[in-house]
Amino acid sequence: QKEVEQNSGPLSVPEGAIASLNCTYSDRGSQSFFWYRQYSGKSPELIMSIYSNGDKEDGRFTAQLNKASQYVSLLIRDSQPSDSATYLCAVKSAGNQFYFGTGTSLTVIP
Amino acid sequence: DTAVSQTPKYLVTQMGNDKSIKCEQNLGHDTMYWYKQDSKKFLKIMFSYNNKELIINETVPNRFSPKSPDKAHLNLHINSLELGDSAVYFCASTTPGSGGNTIYFGEGSWLTVV
Repeated sequence: QKEVEQNSGPLSVPEGAIASLNCTYSDRGSQSFFWYRQYSGKSPELIMSIYSNGDKEDGRFTAQLNKASQYVSLLIRDSQPSDSATYLCAVKSAGNQFYFGTGTSLTVIP
Repeated sequence: DTAVSQTPKYLVTQMGNDKSIKCEQNLGHDTMYWYKQDSKKFLKIMFSYNNKELIINETVPNRFSPKSPDKAHLNLHINSLELGDSAVYFCASTTPGSGGNTIYFGEGSWLTVV
């Protein structure tokens, strides 16, 4: 399986702080990158996708991609308790398959 | 309408039994998947089908056999269930292409083998 690695966590941040989640991948042919959020007992849901190097912002979320370093990150600004969940990094390989990282558990402390 | 639906949602069964999980998507997607998520939240791809054809079969015991009667359905049959098969099994679908596109998940099937 193509490797997608995330910082293991768990990560705890106070409410209002910035949460930073990181991901590296091994397949240099990958072109599409995603961040999914998974609440306990639920299925993963897409929160961000990024395809080009640089930053992509969507509300309080910013995804960053550096293909040369094979690195993807997600920043969550003004973290809220409702952001507490497991965040999964996903990479779409050159063979059009989706591979997921091990997930980082985030807890936002009120 | 549910986009990707899978049944049953919960399944408790004894070791050695055979069970099936069914999945259907109404999104018109060409590609369907089965993923296994263990207790540590790792989502591991098991199978990928494109238009009823098997595309990927990761290292999965032969006891697991997927079947795709048409491109909207992908079922998973498990023979001789073992304790280690206890996990959440997610069905998912997408449309292949060189561009970026997202993968849609079903609600998951919680399998417990006792």
